[in-house]
Amino acid sequence: AQSVTQLGSHVSVSEGALVLLRCNYSSSVPPYLFWYVQYPNQGLQLLLKYTTGATLVKGINGFEAEFKKSETSFHLTKPSAHMSDAAEYFCAVSDRGYQKVTFGIGTKLQVIP
Amino acid sequence: GAGVSQSPRYKVAKRGQDVALRCDPISGHVSLFWYQQALGQGPEFLTYFQNEAQLDKSGLPSDRFFAERPEGSVSTLKIQRTQQEDSAVYLCASSLDSGGGNQPQHFGDGTRLSIL
Repeated sequence: AQSVTQLGSHVSVSEGALVLLRCNYSSSVPPYLFWYVQYPNQGLQLLLKYTTGATLVKGINGFEAEFKKSETSFHLTKPSAHMSDAAEYFCAVSDRGYQKVTFGIGTKLQVIP
Repeated sequence: GAGVSQSPRYKVAKRGQDVALRCDPISGHVSLFWYQQALGQGPEFLTYFQNEAQLDKSGLPSDRFFAERPEGSVSTLKIQRTQQEDSAVYLCASSLDSGGGNQPQHFGDGTRLSIL
């Protein structure tokens, strides 16, 4: 069974600073990995996904994540935070060939002007 | 419509009442998912449909929860004899995926259910 651990339920960064949101996964087989963003009172929106191929994945809004098998990690980064990035971010994992997705507990990102 | 539509957006019910939550997926999407998101938590998987077939209902917390998708498009999540612990946001998602699992899920805005 797969699981996801997001380190830090709340992260604060200054506007213009680096954003780093951590995600570690546990899976018995090579997984598919996802990052979703959720704004208040809205559903989740896909930021990026890793399925196969290049381990550095670029997503929307300037975010990217790197799949590191040796570290079982899929950390989300953005070089320069913008006020509009303030939201909750969820890392998610699914086993290949299997539809069920397991989400992490989420990390709330606060951007300080 | 362009996205996944859920109704109602908000539902308040008294303990013991039955409720029905509706999900309209993106047209042509084969797969449909229901999730429960408690306050301060990530979404928890409830059930999954491929077309009209319910292939996984392992996340349904009790036999009071029932989901259907009779014509392979619109889905309804029904909760009978609601309890206070059922209070949560119920999210519906759909995807083009027909089995591989690598397609992203597109989420609706959810139904916020409050049980008094």
